[in-house]
Amino acid sequence: DGGITQSPKYLFRKEGQNVTLSCEQNLNHDAMYWYRQDPGQGLRLIYYSQIVNDFQKGDIAEGYSVSREKKESFPLTVTSAQKNPTAFYLCASSVTGAGNTIYFGEGSWLTVV
Amino acid sequence: RKEVEQDPGPFNVPEGATVAFNCTYSNSASQSFFWYRQDCRKEPKLLMSVYSSGNEDGRFTAQLNRASQYISLLIRDSKLSDSATYLCVVTGNTGNQFYFGTGTSLTVIP
Repeated sequence: DGGITQSPKYLFRKEGQNVTLSCEQNLNHDAMYWYRQDPGQGLRLIYYSQIVNDFQKGDIAEGYSVSREKKESFPLTVTSAQKNPTAFYLCASSVTGAGNTIYFGEGSWLTVV
Repeated sequence: RKEVEQDPGPFNVPEGATVAFNCTYSNSASQSFFWYRQDCRKEPKLLMSVYSSGNEDGRFTAQLNRASQYISLLIRDSKLSDSATYLCVVTGNTGNQFYFGTGTSLTVIP
């Protein structure tokens, strides 16, 4: 099936640890995105990439890092510098250009213990 | 000023009711407009795109008013299964940036 696969679905992190969330898409989309959603709040953009080997910071990039070595893959690392990482993380992708919709993976729940 | 603003609700309506949501956006050069549905603890899913001419999909009607910079979603004959959060989504000038409203919560009551 075509789509966006995120893993793991649930992840627990100890304070001071880095963790990496995986995102893979087989939709042949150029653009990929990472959003964070906190309870009762909207989506906030962490990073986005419109082409391989290039990415830009979103509104809340501090404490996060990404890479885009392959078109299909856009992993997100939550570093120990992110002070409040407990949230729902959503990876998304889209075709670039006007009129195109954005599609989401099922999300990853990260909890700091 | 936020790019996209929505009334968070909650809207609690009886089955069979008609309910309307509005969303305003700040960038007059925005290219594309959408409504997404998000169920509790799930990812957002596209409900419908919104066009200047308006569009309808079954019980759902979406409209865009560029002059006043708002989009609307009308749900007729509400079903229990319509209970969800509805997100307004607007793109930027080039269509490559997506801006999300905080969502409007709808609960349809038996």
